[in-house]
This record gives sequence, C-alpha cells and structure tokens, in this order.
Amino acid sequence: AQSVTQLGSHVSVSEGALVLLRCNYSSSVPPYLFWYVQYPNQGLQLLLKYTTGATLVKGINGFEAEFKKSETSFHLTKPSAHMSDAAEYFCAVSAPPNDYKLSFGAGTTVTVRA
Amino acid sequence: DVKVTQSSRYLVKRTGEKVFLECVQDMDHENMFWYRQDPGLGLRLIYFSYDVKMKEKGDIPEGYSVSREKKERFSLILESASTNQTSMYLCASSRGQNGGYTFGSGTRLTVV
Repeated sequence: AQSVTQLGSHVSVSEGALVLLRCNYSSSVPPYLFWYVQYPNQGLQLLLKYTTGATLVKGINGFEAEFKKSETSFHLTKPSAHMSDAAEYFCAVSAPPNDYKLSFGAGTTVTVRA
Repeated sequence: DVKVTQSSRYLVKRTGEKVFLECVQDMDHENMFWYRQDPGLGLRLIYFSYDVKMKEKGDIPEGYSVSREKKERFSLILESASTNQTSMYLCASSRGQNGGYTFGSGTRLTVV
C-alpha cells in the first residue's frame, strides 16, 4: 500500500519569498503523484500531477513540483508567494493496481505575511 | 463548467439519526469517492465506487454505508449518527485511472 508524509503542518512565508512544501511517499511500484490546494470553505482543486515522463511538472498559479525517485519525494515550490496562495495544500499518491484511488497526506497550511 | 455537487454545505443532526449525504457529478465519471476531512489527519477514504451498484470499503468504513443506483449519484449514509462523525465530508469523482479527482465543495456535518 502507498502512503504520503507531508513535513510541516504549517508554513509561514513573506510575500515574494519562496514557497517550499515537502512531500515524501512510499510505494512499492512507480507511483502517480498529485498536489491539491484547498481554499477556506471550499473543496480541493488539482494543482498539478505527475504520472510518467518529465520529472519536473508545472501546474496552475505558478506552482511546480519535481519527482525524485531516489529521494521518494515530490516537493512543491513557487518562486514568489502571493497573498492569494494562503491555503491548505495536500500531497496525494496512487499506485497500481489501485491507481484510481488516492491516499492523501495530512496537509500543510500556508500563511503569507505582508 | 463541470461540477461535483454536494446537496448541503452545512448540516446539524442529532445523535442516533439516519443521515443522508448526496453527491451528484455531471462529467460521466466512472469513479466516485467519499472522504472525511479532520484537522491533522488529512483526507481519509470512507467508501468508493467504480461503477453503478459497485462499492468498495475504504480505510474507515465503520458506521457508514453507500448507495450508487445511477452513475451520476453517490450517496453516503450514516445509519445512526454519532458525535465522532462530526466532520467535513468531501465527495469526489474521476475518470478511469491516473486521473485527478474533481471535488465537491464539502458538507460540514455536526452531530449533537
């Protein structure tokens, strides 16, 4: 079975600073990896996903993530934080044979300081 | 715009009541899911369905059941609500494998 660990339940950054959210996974087979964002009182929205191919994945709102198999990581970054990036972020993994079913991390709440 | 619609944003129910949470999607997706979200625990899968009338238990099915009589609708049932089922419930759907989920806006259920 696959699982996800998100390091840090809360991250605070200054506006304009780098956003780095850490995600490590465990899977016995090559995984599919996802990042979702949840704004207050809303459902989750897909930011980006890695299935196969290029290991650096670009998503919406200027976010990107890099799949590093040797480190079993899929960290999310954004070069310059905006106030609108304040939200909760979830990393998720799926893997064959149950690759239609996602397992989620506990989430990281991002606060952006003016 | 494609959507997953959950029938209620907020619900307050009494202990012991039978509770129905409804979810409808308009994307002709095969797969539908019910998760509950609690602070510090992330999203935990309750039940999922990969076809009409098909269902499988997720990680925390105890105290819940589901129904999928039509492809577009997936219902979560709390047979006898308890206070420890107070939570945010999220419905999602997806097409095939490897696809990302589309989520509804969630139902915040309070059991008193």
